[in-house]
Amino acid sequence: DSGVTQTPKHLITATGQRVTLRCSPRSGDLSVYWYQQSLDQGLQFLIQYYNGEERAKGNILERFSAQQFPDLHSELNLSSLELGDSALYFCASTPPSGELFFGEGSRLTVL
Amino acid sequence: TQLLEQSPQFLSIQEGENLTVYCNSSSVFSSLQWYRQEPGEGPVLLVTVVTGGEVKKLKRLTFQFGDARKDSSLHITAAQPGDTGLYLCAVRETSYDKVIFGPGTSLSVIP
Repeated sequence: DSGVTQTPKHLITATGQRVTLRCSPRSGDLSVYWYQQSLDQGLQFLIQYYNGEERAKGNILERFSAQQFPDLHSELNLSSLELGDSALYFCASTPPSGELFFGEGSRLTVL
Repeated sequence: TQLLEQSPQFLSIQEGENLTVYCNSSSVFSSLQWYRQEPGEGPVLLVTVVTGGEVKKLKRLTFQFGDARKDSSLHITAAQPGDTGLYLCAVRETSYDKVIFGPGTSLSVIP
């Protein structure tokens, strides 16, 4: 158990819909990373927050947005979903040492 | 263009064999991490290498950071079925707080 909690574990939805993925980091970790993992793209960095502020951005689509709340949990919002958005979405938190602790992921299927 | 390249992409070997997988880049990094990901789970950190030429051992796994800090290798001695998984290398981009992963080597150890 990494200490990082992601919900939901599985989500099936239709094209055009909007979903929210939630992540609770390990106790004491201020930094949260979001990644997308698909078979053909590997583990792609989306965005990182540190103590409520956006710190770094990857190839995150404009249809996607994220935020980190005062209690340090984070949410990734995916809108106008397309078939190609089907993937595993991982959240990771990190202490100052730099090790990433990953959650178990949220598997999104868009039909 | 991928910041990190990993080879081979897939590897299937018999239990007891030795193997080496590689992580390469044209960029220099201050540190490099190796993670292992099992199906349905998030990646788990195996090791962080920091110094050029550094060698670290973790039981049957030996990690080496290249002298120029552009590449790394992971050698597994007497592979076991429990070693099966996706091996990912990762680096932190120096100008940003992104942690970027390579595409991974998918290892299958057959009993």
